[in-house]
Amino acid sequence: AQKVTQAQTEISVVEKEDVTLDCVYETRDTTYYLFWYKQPPSGELVFLIRRNSFDEQNEISGRYSWNFQKSTSSFNFTITASQVVDSAVYFCALSEARRGTYKYIFGTGTRLKVLA
Amino acid sequence: SAVISQKPSRDICQRGTSLTIQCQVDSQVTMMFWYRQQPGQSLTLIATANQGSEATYESGFVIDKFPISRPNLTFSTLTVSNMSPEDSSIYLCSVGGENIQYFGAGTRLSVL
Repeated sequence: AQKVTQAQTEISVVEKEDVTLDCVYETRDTTYYLFWYKQPPSGELVFLIRRNSFDEQNEISGRYSWNFQKSTSSFNFTITASQVVDSAVYFCALSEARRGTYKYIFGTGTRLKVLA
Repeated sequence: SAVISQKPSRDICQRGTSLTIQCQVDSQVTMMFWYRQQPGQSLTLIATANQGSEATYESGFVIDKFPISRPNLTFSTLTVSNMSPEDSSIYLCSVGGENIQYFGAGTRLSVL
């Protein structure tokens, strides 16, 4: 069955430290998408990044970077020089095609606290 | 991208009552999704709502408890019926497909 595991429940770092959020997934599909979403205290889910299963190229966007490795079924997210505004819950998700529609499987989330 | 508006943003309700949550999208979309996020938990899909057909419910969710309407391509409602304190959650509406989903800000529901 499809599954997304975020083993880190909560991480605390001091501002300007680098932090990596882990995500491991399971799927039988050969074509799939992986995502990271940010959920600040306001509650809205903010889309950060998407990767399809055929694109293992890592990506950097400002202080954010993502490492996708199919060999280990991992899609990790690194924040460089963390800031207090990065404090939020981060969700990793996998989309699966199913009977003409799509279902997103979310991990349990990692709460990141960045301390000033 | 899509802009999604949810109403109400939060509510406090009494046990045994019902609440209808509205979701409005700024563009026409085929599929709309309703999720529940219990306190401190991840998101769980309640149902998928396509215009012109009955919603498809996930295991553990039933139409009598969570009736959904989808009258057109930009609007949907989710009703939480006969509420109990266990229904206290954030309910989120989303739109999209395989390669992206956009979410509303959610409705924070507390049931006393």
